[in-house]
Amino acid sequence: EAQVTQNPRYLITVTGKKLTVTCSQNMNHEYMSWYRQDPGLGLRQIYYSMNVEVTDKGDVPEGYKVSRKEKRNFPLILESPSPNQTSLYFCASRGPPGRDTEAFFGQGTRLTVV
Amino acid sequence: AQSVTQLGSHVSVSEGALVLLRCNYSSSVPPYLFWYVQYPNQGLQLLLKYTTGATLVKGINGFEAEFKKSETSFHLTKPSAHMSDAAEYFCAVTSGGYQKVTFGTGTKLQVIP
Repeated sequence: EAQVTQNPRYLITVTGKKLTVTCSQNMNHEYMSWYRQDPGLGLRQIYYSMNVEVTDKGDVPEGYKVSRKEKRNFPLILESPSPNQTSLYFCASRGPPGRDTEAFFGQGTRLTVV
Repeated sequence: AQSVTQLGSHVSVSEGALVLLRCNYSSSVPPYLFWYVQYPNQGLQLLLKYTTGATLVKGINGFEAEFKKSETSFHLTKPSAHMSDAAEYFCAVTSGGYQKVTFGTGTKLQVIP
């Protein structure tokens, strides 16, 4: 089954404690991205990657890092989380270049930073 | 630059009534347009998409949308709402480059029995 898998689904952490949210896809997609979803703001792109070792900033990259060492994995790293990073996070992947390919989303990770 | 505007953050309809969720877009190049649905505690699932060709697009669960270039709109409709349609709906647009997707702020649909 084609899927994007995120872990964990829920996470509560304290300010400043480094954390990683993992994302893995089994569709051999080159393009992967991270979004955060906040009430009234929709989905905003944090980072994206067009292939292994190729990453770039999205609209709200501050406070986040990513890496793409393997095609299937695209972890999101918060080096020093702050309460304003409390949000619902989604990883997504897309197929070959072409504007008509839709994104496949993970189930989401609800992060609370206290 | 591209953008998406969804009018109405919350829409309520009675079961069996017409569902109409509005989406207007802005794009400097011909757009590709999407509607996604998000059920509680789940990720986003594609409902339908417009690429090229027929402007009336049919999707899953009885939804359809019509691309109107002159109005820069891509409204989502369903003739008869079901309780199971209660969810949040997102309109999205891509244009140019390598597939940057811009999402609207979402519309929560409530279906009243």
